[in-house]
Amino acid sequence: AQSVTQLDSQVPVFEEAPVELRCNYSSSVSVYLFWYVQYPNQGLQLLLKYLSGSTLVKGINGFEAEFNKSQTSFHLRKPSVHISDTAEYFCAVSDGTNAGKSTFGDGTTLTVKP
Amino acid sequence: NAGVTQTPKFQVLKTGQSMTLQCAQDMNHEYMSWYRQDPGMGLRLIHYSVGAGITDQGEVPNGYNVSRSTTEDFPLRLLSAAPSQTSVYFCASNKGVGRSPLHFGNGTRLTVT
Repeated sequence: AQSVTQLDSQVPVFEEAPVELRCNYSSSVSVYLFWYVQYPNQGLQLLLKYLSGSTLVKGINGFEAEFNKSQTSFHLRKPSVHISDTAEYFCAVSDGTNAGKSTFGDGTTLTVKP
Repeated sequence: NAGVTQTPKFQVLKTGQSMTLQCAQDMNHEYMSWYRQDPGMGLRLIHYSVGAGITDQGEVPNGYNVSRSTTEDFPLRLLSAAPSQTSVYFCASNKGVGRSPLHFGNGTRLTVT
């Protein structure tokens, strides 16, 4: 069984400040990790993914995430946020045995203030 | 390229009514799934399918039925709607392997009164 914990339900931050959204996971097998973003009244879209190789992965809109196997974490970061980054962010995990199923965290609402 | 298409976008039902939420994808994806999203609870898997004719239950299947007669379509049926089924429903698809990210529809907002 696998699970995902997003450590912050809400993160308020001022425009142009850095931000980190935290995600921990548990799994008994090797995993693939994803961050999705959901803008108001829209579906989820892929922000970035870790499949293998380099532990630092870059995604769209200037976001990046670092996979840390020893700490079972996959934290999302951006050095300078914009108002348009206001959205809900979901961390998800899947493995090679579940035919495409993903388990999601509860989400983190990022609010960027002017 | 339409991706994943869900209809309707909004629906209001009375308790006990039935309805079908439609989902179609044009990416030839093997895997399709239905999630419900409730405030503070993330996305919870209702049912999923790994190919035409094959379906299975997810985390919260009670009160919902699915079928998969074609690769493209994966409808979700509510047989007798209850207020607890008020939620936003998302359909998603991928290539059917763990490394493949999910592609989501824009959701159906359902209210049961």
